[in-house]
Amino acid sequence: KNQVEQSPQSLIILEGKNCTLQCNYTVSPFSNLRWYKQDTGRGPVSLTIMTFSENTKSNGRYTATLDADTKQSSLHITASQLSDSASYICVVTLSNDYKLSFGAGTTVTVRA
Amino acid sequence: GAGVSQSPRYKVAKRGQDVALRCDPISGHVSLFWYQQALGQGPEFLTYFQNEAQLDKSGLPSDRFFAERPEGSVSTLKIQRTQQEDSAVYLCASSLVGQGQHFGDGTRLSIL
Repeated sequence: KNQVEQSPQSLIILEGKNCTLQCNYTVSPFSNLRWYKQDTGRGPVSLTIMTFSENTKSNGRYTATLDADTKQSSLHITASQLSDSASYICVVTLSNDYKLSFGAGTTVTVRA
Repeated sequence: GAGVSQSPRYKVAKRGQDVALRCDPISGHVSLFWYQQALGQGPEFLTYFQNEAQLDKSGLPSDRFFAERPEGSVSTLKIQRTQQEDSAVYLCASSLVGQGQHFGDGTRLSIL
């Protein structure tokens, strides 16, 4: 069973609207949690990184939250743009380990 | 460029042929990782190098997969006697030890 679960699997939103993506993980203990953006045909690019003690981290219109008690994270996209169409992947790094645990990603499609 | 470079970007091979995929990491990055990404899924770990030493190859799916990094820089992932289930995107990532991984854009491998 995957240790990082993401929802929804995909979503479609209108340009200018907001959306929130969810990530639940069972990986423990973890060093940090990242959200990556992966455009079609490209490699993942890191958007945010949060350590165990951080609750929120912003990068422009992207805001990630982390609740280490419930092992949940979310990525909120504000005022979506067409260029936000991509797959968003939640990634957890185990403590004292180099291995990353990847979620399957949420595919976001922004329509004009 | 300063990023991780992978070649070729696309590779089509007939079942049974051998293929070699190349990764040029960011200069100075000690750690190098290979991942396999199936359509609609997150990347799956294949193998990890620290300099020229292959410290972990637990993710390689079979003995048909072989990776090397002889001089601690460029790495090659070789797949022998390819099968249709080998069709996927192969991602390479590099990092300083203990730091975030930077991904290349991958090689999309199609086995006919």
